[in-house]
Order: sequence, then C-alpha cells, then structure tokens
Amino acid sequence: QKEVEQNSGPLSVPEGAIASLNCTYSDRGSQSFFWYRQYSGKSPELIMSIYSNGDKEDGRFTAQLNKASQYVSLLIRDSQPSDSATYLCAVAASGGSYIPTFGRGTSLIVHP
Amino acid sequence: GAVVSQHPSRVICKSGTSVKIECRSLDFQATTMFWYRQFPKKSLMLMATSNEGSKATYEQGVEKDKFLINHASLTLSTLTVTSAHPEDSSFYICSASSGSPGELFFGEGSRLTVL
Repeated sequence: QKEVEQNSGPLSVPEGAIASLNCTYSDRGSQSFFWYRQYSGKSPELIMSIYSNGDKEDGRFTAQLNKASQYVSLLIRDSQPSDSATYLCAVAASGGSYIPTFGRGTSLIVHP
Repeated sequence: GAVVSQHPSRVICKSGTSVKIECRSLDFQATTMFWYRQFPKKSLMLMATSNEGSKATYEQGVEKDKFLINHASLTLSTLTVTSAHPEDSSFYICSASSGSPGELFFGEGSRLTVL
C-alpha cells in the first residue's frame, strides 16, 4: 500500500522565520511530488511541484526532493501569518497514475 | 493554473432528499475529474474517479448507488448524494487533472449539511 507520511503538527513558527515541512513516501518508484496548501474551510491549492532530486525555488517557497531517502520537504522563508494553513504533501505513484496519494497534512501556524 | 468551479458552495437539506453538486472546468477540457470528501480536521478521502463518457470508478467502501457521478461532457461532472442522511454531512471537493500525473486543480468545495 502506497503511503505518504506527514507530521500533523501543529508547527508553530514566529513571523519572519523559516518554516520547514517534511514528508516521506513509501513507493520508491514515485515520479511526481506536490505540495498543496489548504486554508481552513477551503479547498486545497497547488503551490509547488517537483520531479527531480534537488531544490526547486519559487518565491519564498523551496521544495526539496531526495528520492534515495524517499523524502520531500517544503521550506517557507520569511513566514507570514497568511501562510498559516495546512500543507498537504502529495505523491504520484509510479506508472503515470493521475491520482496522487495525499498525506494527512501538517498544520502550520505563523504567529506575529 | 487551470480554473475549476464548483457549485453550490454550501447546501443545507433535509434528511432523505437528494443533492446535486456540479463541478466545471472553465478554461480547459477535463477528461478525468476526481471527487473527494473531507471531514473536519481530517485528510482528503478520494471517493471516485469520474471519466467523461463512461462510468465512474469508485473507491472501496464508497456506495455507488448513494453517490451518483455523471461526467457527461469534457467540462462538467456532477455528484448527486441520494437520500442524504446526517452522516453524509461533509465537505465535498472536486478536482480535475491538469494532464500531468498527480497534478490536480481543485474546485472551491461544497459544504453539505443534512438536517
């Protein structure tokens, strides 16, 4: 069974700090990795995708992928209170499946 | 990114009635859409995969006769909760594939309350 694991949190960081969100996955053949952000009472929105080992930066967000360790992370620099949300890690299984497996999400709280 | 619109955003109904939720892809054609359900503070649960022009594929444990899915066109999928009961109260979210494996665009979600 394919699994995606995340610490449910909450992860609490002060405004301006770096928030580090982590995710591990079980399917070694996974090819595509995503981070979704979900505000309370809202639906998820895609914020980052990463497909190869290393770092991918987009503004204040950096996704990191290590396929050997089956580990993907999201760093949020200069965290803002508006970043407070649940962050869902999603992994697309090998074989080109269009259905990602979601983790349970990590709740992030950025306090002023 | 692509836009997926879901309607209604909130619905309250009496027990025993049926409720239809629409999901539209506004600026692209979605051959495959997905329906999720989410209880408060819980993770997303995939209910079914909706394929244009064919029957939906339901996940294990999801009653296909209770949750009717129709994907009649490349831009519209509907979920009908039949004979709703209070335990069906939940947040229902549709999504569409971008064409890249695993990349989804979500609708705004529909919060169903069954009295």
